[in-house]
Amino acid sequence: KAGVTQTPRYLIKTRGQQVTLSCSPISGHRSVSWYQQTPGQGLQFLFEYFSETQRNKGNFPGRFSGRQFSNSRSEMNVSTLELGDSALYLCASSLDQKNIQYFGAGTRLSVL
Amino acid sequence: GQQLNQSPQSMFIQEGEDVSMNCTSSSIFNTWLWYKQDPGEGPVLLIALYKAGELTSNGRLTAQFGITRKDSFLNISASIPSDVGIYFCAGHATGAGSYQLTFGKGTKLSVIP
Repeated sequence: KAGVTQTPRYLIKTRGQQVTLSCSPISGHRSVSWYQQTPGQGLQFLFEYFSETQRNKGNFPGRFSGRQFSNSRSEMNVSTLELGDSALYLCASSLDQKNIQYFGAGTRLSVL
Repeated sequence: GQQLNQSPQSMFIQEGEDVSMNCTSSSIFNTWLWYKQDPGEGPVLLIALYKAGELTSNGRLTAQFGITRKDSFLNISASIPSDVGIYFCAGHATGAGSYQLTFGKGTKLSVIP
């Protein structure tokens, strides 16, 4: 069974640009969660989607958004990028919210 | 929201030594999970715990779900160089907001050959 796949693995953007990251969950998993990981803050929860609906949202500004498609694949978008958005963005999938989350390898975003 | 205090923040140990790390919470948790993250990769699940007092092993790793349901421990026996990485505890708390997985800030483990 294939694991969680995140694309691209690396991205370099400049301030003010926008970016879209993609996540393909494990087959059969319907819940997808996104996290931002920085050295100082650890793993910060962004949002969680289930059956194309956002069920939970972390404490991030509206520049961070996401969506989930009918095949459970998910995308997250960050608009008007800031230097502080440089981080490793991790996606995790699970059967449902209270099940174990399995992580992808992440997308490393660098904002210059 | 819930917070997890994970300690120690970092450890330097000699190859062959045993390692202990722990996680404490101000809230009662229903589930405790331990993950390991290698540089440039996503966290990988090591052990999952579902009941208070539960003790579970995975090779040289042993984790316990604390009796109070507010803490968990991870032990690594006879450490080897490939144990290097960051170890995270995580869990689902009870009550409102319990669907969200809360993470500790991690314990960075370095093993000196």
